[in-house]
Amino acid sequence: ETGVTQSPTHLIKTRGQQVTLRCSSQSGHNTVSWYQQALGQGPQFIFQYYREEENGRGNFPPRFSGLQFPNYSSELNVNALELDDSALYLCASSLGGLSYEQYFGPGTRLTVT
Amino acid sequence: GDSVTQMEGPVTLSEEAFLTINCTYTATGYPSLFWYVQYPGEGLQLLLKATKADDKGSNKGFEATYRKETTSFHLEKGSVQVSDSAVYFCALSDAQGAQKLVFGQGTRLTINP
Repeated sequence: ETGVTQSPTHLIKTRGQQVTLRCSSQSGHNTVSWYQQALGQGPQFIFQYYREEENGRGNFPPRFSGLQFPNYSSELNVNALELDDSALYLCASSLGGLSYEQYFGPGTRLTVT
Repeated sequence: GDSVTQMEGPVTLSEEAFLTINCTYTATGYPSLFWYVQYPGEGLQLLLKATKADDKGSNKGFEATYRKETTSFHLEKGSVQVSDSAVYFCALSDAQGAQKLVFGQGTRLTINP
């Protein structure tokens, strides 16, 4: 069984640029959630996708957007990058429905300079 | 909104010591509760969970009991090992909507031989 994978591992961008992060969900999982983890903090929920539809959003501005594809993989897009967007971005997949267990990928470390 | 508060770290113990990491929560409904662990350079791994009051989650010698009356989910281990050194996150997930995870700020644990 393949776990959750994310790409790239590390990324350096300049303020004002745009970035796309990718996530492949665990086999059989139809739900993907994205979290932002600032240094020394707990992860913060960005949004969740269930069967290609957004299924909930945290307190993040619209420049954070996402997609889920028919194979349930997902992208996180961030426009107009700000220095505070520097963080570890975690993707988690789950079975959806009443399953509470989320399985996390290793994350993408984004640095904005 | 829902929130999780963990005891502040860092926590440093000697090998074979008893571990307690306190966690309390605020939630409007009846959340499921989790402990996740993050080893250096890695994503989050689910350590244990409890889905209703008085449930005890356990794994790898760690235990936590869902206490509704005190809104707590303290993590304990009777004899820690050097390999337990990591950051531990308490989290909750409510039964509504996106079932997003709400995390505490994390507690860094270091075990000295």
